[in-house]
Amino acid sequence: DAGITQSPRHKVTETGTPVTLRCHQTENHRYMYWYRQDPGHGLRLIHYSYGVKDTDKGEVSDGYSVSRSKTEDFLLTLESATSSQTSVYFCAIKQAGQPIYEQYFGPGTRLTVT
Amino acid sequence: GQQLNQSPQSMFIQEGEDVSMNCTSSSIFNTWLWYKQDPGEGPVLLIALYKAGELTSNGRLTAQFGITRKDSFLNISASIPSDVGIYFCAGQMGGSQGNLIFGKGTKLSVKP
Repeated sequence: DAGITQSPRHKVTETGTPVTLRCHQTENHRYMYWYRQDPGHGLRLIHYSYGVKDTDKGEVSDGYSVSRSKTEDFLLTLESATSSQTSVYFCAIKQAGQPIYEQYFGPGTRLTVT
Repeated sequence: GQQLNQSPQSMFIQEGEDVSMNCTSSSIFNTWLWYKQDPGEGPVLLIALYKAGELTSNGRLTAQFGITRKDSFLNISASIPSDVGIYFCAGQMGGSQGNLIFGKGTKLSVKP
């Protein structure tokens, strides 16, 4: 258990509405990640953060924005949700320290856009 | 983008059987990770590999980092019903800043 919680765990929303997903960690990890998981595509990186207010895009960042105003929280926002953003979203943290590179995942948020 | 080819996509196991799965890539990785995911939950890290040729075990699980650094395999010995789930490989390139690339998973199910 890497001390990661995600909220909400399930959400149904309508096309065009804004949605924010929250990832919270309790162990002061510098690196945090947002992934989406879809059948046939596996896990794909949306955005990641390497510190407070330091973020960068991943493979599938279009339509998503992120914010990290404090170490423990990493927010993922869908500015105007579309049906193609129906997915399961996972947050992850990276265990620090060279040469260790290990990511640990939260429980996920299942988002349905109708 | 970068891709990992994970095989097989799915397989059926009978209790007591040994299971093998692997991941290959055209790119060189510095780290290989193997995860297991149960329905409705997040992936759980099983084994991490950091050196070419490294063989690491975690209970009945054994994983190896290929010599070419372009592949890895995972073996499960004497499978039990709770081994069912989806297994993912992931590779990390470059230095500590590098992100993970995931395979599409191998789904283990119980033989009917």
